[in-house]
Parts: sequence; C-alpha cells; structure tokens
Amino acid sequence: AQKVTQAQTEISVVEKEDVTLDCVYETRDTTYYLFWYKQPPSGELVFLIRRNSFDEQNEISGRYSWNFQKSTSSFNFTITASQVVDSAVYFCALSEKNFGSGYSTLTFGKGTMLLVSP
Amino acid sequence: ETGVTQSPTHLIKTRGQQVTLRCSSQSGHNTVSWYQQALGQGPQFIFQYYREEENGRGNFPPRFSGLQFPNYSSELNVNALELDDSALYLCASSLGNPSSYNEQFFGPGTRLTVL
Repeated sequence: AQKVTQAQTEISVVEKEDVTLDCVYETRDTTYYLFWYKQPPSGELVFLIRRNSFDEQNEISGRYSWNFQKSTSSFNFTITASQVVDSAVYFCALSEKNFGSGYSTLTFGKGTMLLVSP
Repeated sequence: ETGVTQSPTHLIKTRGQQVTLRCSSQSGHNTVSWYQQALGQGPQFIFQYYREEENGRGNFPPRFSGLQFPNYSSELNVNALELDDSALYLCASSLGNPSSYNEQFFGPGTRLTVL
C-alpha cells in the first residue's frame, strides 16, 4: 500500500485561481513529519514546508497555506491567486523513523503536476 | 553558503556498464541521502550516509553502492547498468543526526540514460 497518496496527477488552472493539492498519508508511528516540495522543470526539489505530527495548526506563508488533519491523515496544500511561476510538480513526503537502524528518511508521493496558464 | 551540487548533469551509458555519480553536500551538512526518480514518479530512497557509513538503505540491489568522504561529499556507484536504471538521481544533504527528521536540501540531480 502506498504510504503517501497524491490522487491528483495533473491540475490545470488559469492564473489568479486558487488551487488545492491533496495529500493523504499512512503511518503507524505517532511521531512523524510531513513535507511539501516543489520540483520545477529544472529538476531540483525545493523545500516548502515541514510539519510534525503533534502540530495540527494550519500554516500560511504568503500565497501558500497548508491544512493538516490527523483525523483524516491528510496534509493538503493550497495556493491562493496562482501565478504562472507556480507551474511545477509538487510532492508531498512523509518522514518516519526506521526502528531497526534509527534513521529517518523521506517517502514521497507520485506528485501532482500543476499547470498555471496566463 | 553553497548549496548541494551534483556532477555530472547528464550521462549516457550502455547496459552492463558501471557509473559513478558525485555529490557535494551543503556546507556543514554531515548526512547525505540518495534518491532515484524515474520519469513521472516521486523520488525513491536508495541509501543514506552519515559519518562515512551507510546508515540506511531502501529497496535497491547491492549493485547500487556508495561512499561518503571525510568532507561529507558522497558518491553513488551503480554496476551492471540496466535499462530501468535510467532516471534522475538526486542527492540530498541534511545537518545533524539522521534520526532527527531533519529537512533535506536537494541538489539539481544527474540525469542518467541507459541505452
């Protein structure tokens, strides 16, 4: 079973529209972190946000906002008043601890491609 | 502050060959992770290095191996290349203990094509 599901493969919007990217995760851990990364055509993953499992407060950063709901295991990302420069692939990722070795790493979803047209 | 750098940018190899990809971590970062990203997929964890030792490994065969050097830079080696190894290989560095869920900073990746 997928640990991180991004059901939307591709979303197309017109500039200035609001858009929400969905992320559903699965874990048995009580302590974990969730991340969102942006991958523009250049390929480099750009960090957007990290949220720990004990902090369910929504967060807003400029045009970006995140809604974390443990009850539904979701961590959705909204872009308000989208711009052409927002066009990219967005990845949601889960960080859990491997209790065998103690390390933590990232499990990514398959990504959502966002296309913003002028 | 210098970010994560990777070399080469692109590489073309043929089946059966061996390849070495290189990564320089962000200044001061002591943990390096490698990911494979196939076309249209999310990155998949290959392995992680901390203090010059492999600290964790994903579901990849032993022909994927790596090294970390005292300056925290790292190499990813892939032997006996297969067509399915064609992908973008991403290196990420982070600061501190690998068990600490630290933010990972990614490099631009190396695009490997196996013919």
